[in-house]
Parts: sequence; C-alpha cells; structure tokens
Amino acid sequence: GAGVSQSPSNKVTEKGKDVELRCDPISGHTALYWYRQRLGQGLEFLIYFQGNSAPDKSGLPSDRFSAERTGESVSTLTIQRTQQEDSAVYLCASSSATANYGYTFGSGTRLTVV
Amino acid sequence: AQSVAQPEDQVNVAEGNPLTVKCTYSVSGNPYLFWYVQYPNRGLQFLLKYITGDNLVKGSYGFEAEFNKSQTSFHLKKPSALVSDSALYFCAVRPGSARQLTFGSGTQLTVLP
Repeated sequence: GAGVSQSPSNKVTEKGKDVELRCDPISGHTALYWYRQRLGQGLEFLIYFQGNSAPDKSGLPSDRFSAERTGESVSTLTIQRTQQEDSAVYLCASSSATANYGYTFGSGTRLTVV
Repeated sequence: AQSVAQPEDQVNVAEGNPLTVKCTYSVSGNPYLFWYVQYPNRGLQFLLKYITGDNLVKGSYGFEAEFNKSQTSFHLKKPSALVSDSALYFCAVRPGSARQLTFGSGTQLTVLP
C-alpha cells in the first residue's frame, strides 16, 4: 500500500485480557519495527524484523509481549494478560533494505487497559 | 549503546521568529541522524536526515538541521516559525552498524500567534 497501515486505531480492553495489534507495512519494505509511546514520553523500541532473519526482540518489556511476521508482510504484536501499564500508543514502522532515510510510521494503535 | 537527549521538554516561540529545537547524541562510529514531527493523534512524519556530506541539512516545511560532530549535536532550526509548526518533535539516531533508531524524549514546540 501507499503507507503503513495499523489496526485497530483504538483498542480498549479489560485488564487481564489478551490483545492483538496489526501492522501492514509498505509493500517491498523488508524491515519492520514496533515501538511503544507512553503518554508524554518518547518512543520505546520493542522489536525489529528484517526479512527472514531472526527478529531482534531486545526491546520487549516482558514475556507477555510477542510479535510475529511472515516473510515481508503483515506483522502482529500480541500482548497477553494486559496490565494497566501497557496502556500506550503502539507504533509500527517499515523501511527498505538500505534504510538510509529512516522509517515510515503508521498512525499507531492507542491501547487503553481498564 | 546509543542515546539521544532533547534537553527541552517545551519550546515556545512567537510566530515569525526563528526557532531552534536542540538535540545531542551519543553513538559509536558515524551516526545517522533524523528528525521526525508528530501532530496530535497522528504517527511520526519524517522531516530530514543527516547521513554524510554537508553539515547543514534541509528538509520538509522549511526546516533545517546542522550536524556538529565536535559538539555531538543535531539541532533543528527554522528561520521563521509558523503557528502550524506547533507539534511534538523527535530527534533520532542510529549508528551505521545498527538498524533500529533510538529516539529522544521529544520536544513540544508551541508557536504563538
């Protein structure tokens, strides 16, 4: 597509429930990134996919967080047993192999855990 | 590990005046430096980047940034601010050897009419 698409745009969930967030990158972009942005804070790196290589999971805050990506297509970020501190905007970005120009971001998913 | 500092949480400037949003970085090797802007309820938009070459980089919407290696800074500037420039600005860095960007905490720019 023309841009990075994320769904849903907003998600309200009850504490303890699982949620799944979706990211559809720009066609042809081999790299895909997930970041978290808490209210009033900067972006926190979560996970990075590059083609068929093993993902860099070094930013995932706990084992409740996981992400998948099949090839160079859609990615899903799953948060199990959600906690109130998981409330944030989850941003996805993609880039081409060279990535000299940085990323293209989606509009994000605003997750609220009540 | 790389890091980015944006020392000002908030910058206020009058419309028509020049603006500066500060950024300093720490990274091993040659840095790739970026500025992004975030409008309310929107994702981040790319403004400009420094990879190599001229230290003064020009980007979108009349913004520019100057790479200063000795001061490890990459301040964002604009000669004449507009009210529509009001937004949250993020500086980001990655070393040439890495892929993920490290972002600063952001600076809220408010341009007063």
